[in-house]
Amino acid sequence: DAGVTQSPTHLIKTRGQQVTLRCSPKSGHDTVSWYQQALGQGPQFIFQYYEEEERQRGNFPDRFSGHQFPNYSSELNVNALLLGDSALYLCASSSQSLNGYTFGSGTRLTVV
Amino acid sequence: GENVEQHPSTLSVQEGDSAVIKCTYSDSASNYFPWYKQELGKRPQLIIDIRSNVGEKKDQRIAVTLNKTAKHFSLHITETQPEDSAVYFCAAFGGYGNNRLAFGKGNQVVVIP
Repeated sequence: DAGVTQSPTHLIKTRGQQVTLRCSPKSGHDTVSWYQQALGQGPQFIFQYYEEEERQRGNFPDRFSGHQFPNYSSELNVNALLLGDSALYLCASSSQSLNGYTFGSGTRLTVV
Repeated sequence: GENVEQHPSTLSVQEGDSAVIKCTYSDSASNYFPWYKQELGKRPQLIIDIRSNVGEKKDQRIAVTLNKTAKHFSLHITETQPEDSAVYFCAAFGGYGNNRLAFGKGNQVVVIP
């Protein structure tokens, strides 16, 4: 058990819909990063949250937004879903020194 | 931003032989280099990492070397076993002010029994 939990594990949505994915970091971690992993590709950085603020953002459109709560858990929201948003969405938690950078099991999103 | 390239894309080795995967990075400020193993349908699992103040690190059959001058780092797996078959990703952390891991595209390692 990696200690980082993500929900749901699988999700099927229709184009144009909106989706919310959730992540609870490992105990003791205060930083949450979100990645998108398309089939056959490496994970691509979406954004990172620390102290309830987005610290840095990758090359993703504004349709991708997030939030971090006082308990360090985080949500990833995607609006106006496209077929190309189908991917494994990974959450990783860490401390500020990057010790213990750990991935959750991911949420497999399929857009039809 | 940081750009990580990984070679080769696919590697087949006989069981018991060694496997080496090489990665290059572009940002000289990067200071943390983890390697992940991902089995089909599962999350990436950290197998070893190295920081920029160290040139080599070993953990049983796995070792990582880092050449900061040339900006490349390598994963070495010795005495390969069938369970080593997986996709391996290298990554680089961009350093202060760049709080993200940049991943390579992955390397499919196949260990032939």
